[in-house]
Order: sequence, then C-alpha cells, then structure tokens
Amino acid sequence: AQSVTQPDIHITVSEGASLELRCNYSYGATPYLFWYVQSPGQGLQLLLKYFSGDTLVQGIKGFEAEFKRSQSSFNLRKPSVHWSDAAEYFCAVGARAAGNKLTFGGGTRVLVKP
Amino acid sequence: DVKVTQSSRYLVKRTGEKVFLECVQDMDHENMFWYRQDPGLGLRLIYFSYDVKMKEKGDIPEGYSVSREKKERFSLILESASTNQTSMYLCASSSLSGAHYEQYFGPGTRLTVT
Repeated sequence: AQSVTQPDIHITVSEGASLELRCNYSYGATPYLFWYVQSPGQGLQLLLKYFSGDTLVQGIKGFEAEFKRSQSSFNLRKPSVHWSDAAEYFCAVGARAAGNKLTFGGGTRVLVKP
Repeated sequence: DVKVTQSSRYLVKRTGEKVFLECVQDMDHENMFWYRQDPGLGLRLIYFSYDVKMKEKGDIPEGYSVSREKKERFSLILESASTNQTSMYLCASSSLSGAHYEQYFGPGTRLTVT
C-alpha cells in the first residue's frame, strides 16, 4: 500500500523568504505525485503534479517541486513567499495499481510573518 | 472552468439524525470521491464511485453510506450522526481518461454534530 509523510505540521516563514515543504512517499513503482493547497475555508487546489520525465516540475503561483526517486521525496519550494501563500499544503500519491485513488499526507500549515 | 459543488458549506445536526451531504460535478467525470479532513490526519477516503450505481469502500467507511444514481451527483449519508463525525467533508471527482487521476475538489462542508 502507498503512504505519504509530511514531517512538518507547521512552518512559519517571513514574507519574502524562501519556503520548502517536505514530502516522503512509500510506493514500489513510479508514483504519480501531487501537491495541493487549501486556503482557509476553501477546498483543495492543485499546485502541480509529476507523472514522468523531467524531475523538476513547475506549478502555479510560483511553486516548483522536485521528484527524487533515490530519496522517495517530492519536496515543494518557492523562492519568495507572499502573505497570500499562508495556507495548508497537502502532498498526495497515486498509482495505477491502486486504481483511481490518491493517498494524502497529513498536511503542512504555513504561516507567513510580515 | 471545472466545477464541483457541495450543497452546504456549514451544517449543524443533532446526534442520531440522518444527514445527507450532496456533491455535484459538471465535468462528466466517471470517478467521484468523499473524504473527511481532520487536523493532523490529512484527507481520509470514505467512499468512492467509478460509475453510476457503483461504489467502493475507502479507508474509513464505518458509519457512512453513499448513493450515486446519476453520473454528476454523489451523495454521502450518515445514517445516524454521532459527535465523532464532526469534521470537514470534501468531495472530489476525476476522469478515467484524464491526467493520471488528478482530482478536482469542492469547497467542503463543515459538519458539526451536537
């Protein structure tokens, strides 16, 4: 069975500083990997996704993520955080063998200091 | 623009009541999902459906049932609501032929059972 771990429950970052959110997955074959963002009171919005090919993936809102097979990681980064990036971020893994289901991590809540 | 809508944003029910949560998607997606979201636990899959009148249990189906009579609509039913079902409920949909199981989410229903 696949699983996802987001080791950081909360992260506080100053506006303008860089941000990195960690995601580790467990799955035997090449997974499909996603990052979603949830703003307060909202549903989840897809930031970016990885299926194959280039391991550095660009997403919306200036985010990028890098797939590292050797480390079973898919960390999310942003070079300069804006106050509007305060939200909860979820990493998810899907796999053909698991049908159409996604498995989500526990989430990381990002607070942005002025 | 793709859209998943949920019938209520906030709902307050009493213990023992039968509760219906409705989800509608306008993307002609085959797959629909119900998750509950709790702090620190991320999203946990309750039930999913890959076709009309078809359903499969997710990771935490106990205390819930579902109904899918039409392709665009997926209902979550709490037969006898209990306080431990107080949570945020998220509906999602995805296409069988779409981008590797990318899911689109509704805004969520925050259910409080008193």
